[in-house]
Amino acid sequence: NAGVTQTPKFQVLKTGQSMTLQCAQDMNHNSMYWYRQDPGMGLRLIYYSASEGTTDKGEVPNGYNVSRLNKREFSLRLESAAPSQTSVYFCASSIGGAVGYTFGSGTRLTVV
Amino acid sequence: AQRVTQPEKLLSVFKGAPVELKCNYSYSGSPELFWYVQYSRQRLQLLLRHISRESIKGFTADLNKGETSFHLKKPFAQEEDSAMYYCALIRSGSARQLTFGSGTQLTVLP
Repeated sequence: NAGVTQTPKFQVLKTGQSMTLQCAQDMNHNSMYWYRQDPGMGLRLIYYSASEGTTDKGEVPNGYNVSRLNKREFSLRLESAAPSQTSVYFCASSIGGAVGYTFGSGTRLTVV
Repeated sequence: AQRVTQPEKLLSVFKGAPVELKCNYSYSGSPELFWYVQYSRQRLQLLLRHISRESIKGFTADLNKGETSFHLKKPFAQEEDSAMYYCALIRSGSARQLTFGSGTQLTVLP
């Protein structure tokens, strides 16, 4: 079982470039999430999708867009990358209840 | 609004010593609390959840509603425990978003 798969693992962008981070889960989970991880700030929620066809903003949505393509896939798009978006991005999924999340391995993004 | 506070960014202990990682929370409802661990450059893994009251890798955590705390403890630290530890709280609601603390980097010295 792959769990939660993120691509790419590493990416370097120039300021103003766009890119899409991909996330897929094979656990039939309803909810999916995108977080960014920054030193000293923990993980902050960017966007989430409670179920297929729905998306909502989290704590730090500015500069990002998301698409819940189907139940398995939840992508994060940076339309015009900025150095402040240099971070490690984690996708996660959850079936709900008190079982917590399953995380992907992360994407390390550097914007120069 | 909910908040999770981990007051220690860095914590170092010697192998075999007890370790306690502090976590305090503020939340108006009934909290569901978790500890996640991230070993160097790996994905986050669920370590503990307060509902199950289980012990994983020798770690335990007790929810103290009076002190609004969920401290993580281990009586004898091992070098392989060195990692980043995050305390997290689930908000009730349809998507049940996790709110994380800022994390504590634990280093166990030989």
